[in-house]
Amino acid sequence: QKEVEQNSGPLSVPEGAIASLNCTYSDRGSQSFFWYRQYSGKSPELIMFIYSNGDKEDGRFTAQLNKASQYVSLLIRDSQPSDSATYLCAVNLKAGGTSYGKLTFGQGTILTVHP
Amino acid sequence: KAGVTQTPRYLIKTRGQQVTLSCSPISGHRSVSWYQQTPGQGLQFLFEYFSETQRNKGNFPGRFSGRQFSNSRSEMNVSTLELGDSALYLCASSLEGAGWEKLFFGSGTQLSVL
Repeated sequence: QKEVEQNSGPLSVPEGAIASLNCTYSDRGSQSFFWYRQYSGKSPELIMFIYSNGDKEDGRFTAQLNKASQYVSLLIRDSQPSDSATYLCAVNLKAGGTSYGKLTFGQGTILTVHP
Repeated sequence: KAGVTQTPRYLIKTRGQQVTLSCSPISGHRSVSWYQQTPGQGLQFLFEYFSETQRNKGNFPGRFSGRQFSNSRSEMNVSTLELGDSALYLCASSLEGAGWEKLFFGSGTQLSVL
């Protein structure tokens, strides 16, 4: 089992729809969870982070965390073609000791929003 | 505020050569991390530096090394290059303390080994 798993997609949604991106992680003790967006040929950009169970909203983005199920998700409301990118889930896994600088990333989900 | 700056943007090397990549963090950020990104393995952690000291290291061979200078700028070196080292190398900077988890990435250096 991979430490952080995402469906690679591609996930295709029509403009204006809700895009739902999912991520599971292996270490039950993990406390910090991040979503990065990476446009083709660009570097990852932090768009959301969440530490507590429940929902966290920022504009059109909502991060959801369920630590009991070891599951984190990202919802994008009113999806726009400009949201088309790869979305990376990242976790600060607690197992293995020192974690400075080390986030463990999923393989990413490719999202395509079509007009 | 300027972002993380990485140079060079592209590099082409041949097997057996060595390469040095450079990273200047966001002003005020003292932690610098390095990641390798490939289509097959995704983003993988190489190492992290803070105050000129390596505090964490990923599972890469000793051919991969780095250092950090007193102004927080960092360099990464890969010796005896192999074809499999072809990748995008990303540098990320962050604040100290709990803020270290929010990584801000540079544009990366695309390394091709022929």
